[in-house]
Parts: sequence; C-alpha cells; structure tokens
Amino acid sequence: AQKVTQAQTEISVVEKEDVTLDCVYETRDTTYYLFWYKQPPSGELVFLIRRNSFDEQNEISGRYSWNFQKSTSSFNFTITASQVVDSAVYFCALSGPIGGRRALTFGSGTRLQVQP
Amino acid sequence: EAQVTQNPRYLITVTGKKLTVTCSQNMNHEYMSWYRQDPGLGLRQIYYSMNVEVTDKGDVPEGYKVSRKEKRNFPLILESPSPNQTSLYFCASSLFEGWETQYFGPGTRLLVL
Repeated sequence: AQKVTQAQTEISVVEKEDVTLDCVYETRDTTYYLFWYKQPPSGELVFLIRRNSFDEQNEISGRYSWNFQKSTSSFNFTITASQVVDSAVYFCALSGPIGGRRALTFGSGTRLQVQP
Repeated sequence: EAQVTQNPRYLITVTGKKLTVTCSQNMNHEYMSWYRQDPGLGLRQIYYSMNVEVTDKGDVPEGYKVSRKEKRNFPLILESPSPNQTSLYFCASSLFEGWETQYFGPGTRLLVL
C-alpha cells in the first residue's frame, strides 16, 4: 500500500515570508514518481512538478523549490517570498503500484493563506 | 489549447435521478481517470481507463459507472445518486498510465439532495 501524509492542514503567513509545505510518503516500490499540485480558490488543479525516485536533486523554479530526500521519504515544497496569489490548497501525490496497476495517491492537502 | 473539459461545472440534483458528467480531452491521451475530492480526504480515484473500451475500478467505484467508447471522451455516470455522492469531481488525463503527469479538468461540483 502507498500513502501520502501532509501533516499541516492549514498554514497562514504574511506576504514575503518563506513557507515550507511538508510531504511524507510511504511506498514499498523502488520506482515511483512524486508530484505537487496547486488548487487555487477557483478550484482547478494545477500541476507544479513531477520528480522520479532516482533523482534526488533539489529543484528550483522561480520562487518555488522542492527538496526530495529519499532517506526520510519526504518531498517538501518551499515558497520563497510568498505572495497573496500563492494562497491555495497544495496537494502532494505519489504515483506507484496499487493492486497491479499504477495509481496516483494524494495527500489530504495543505491550505496556505498568505495575508497582505 | 491543450485541455480537459468537464460539463456541467455545477449540478444540483435529487436522490435517484440519473445524471452524467461529461469529460473530454484534446491531447490524444491514452489514460483517463475520475476522482472525487472531499474535505480532509484529498482526491480519491473512482474509475480509470487505459484506452478505448478498457476501464477499471479505482479506490471508490461504488455507485458510479464509466464508459470509454472514444479516446477523447470519458463520461461519469451516476445511475441513482445519493447524498453521500455530493462532492467535487475531477476528470484527468495523461499520455499513459502511471508515470505520466495527469492533467485535470476544471472540476464539477455536485450536490445531491
């Protein structure tokens, strides 16, 4: 079985603060993919990043960065100098084997509120 | 523009009245899937399809049906909706199963009274 845990249900920060969203996963597979999606107040799901289990290099995209640590089964997401437009629910997801198929398992999400 | 579309976006219905939520993608993707999103539970997969005429159950298939007669379309059917199916539904597609990034439609908010 696979599982994704986002222990932070809700985070509130003030604009320009840095914020890290935690994601811890469980899987028995050695080959898997990890994802982050953003769900703004309008409700759609926006793909942010995909990372495979063999690539532990950190990734930076503008104000966004991701820290993948296989040793702790974590794939954390940091927003630097947060902005009001970053307010959203963020989901971490794991693609791995479930019952003979490959399926995407989502965490329960972290709601980020960025106050002006 | 590459996209996944869903209709309707909002739907209020009554218990037992059959409904269909349509999903269409224009990216020639092989894999399509339906999810439901409920507070505190994240997204859970209802059904998926690896190709035309190939569908299978996800994690929460009870009360739902799907069909995949054409590559681009993957409708979700609720034959006899019940209040516990009140949820936010997403259709998604990806090039293939599993590894590929899934792209999501805008969502359909369903309220069953």
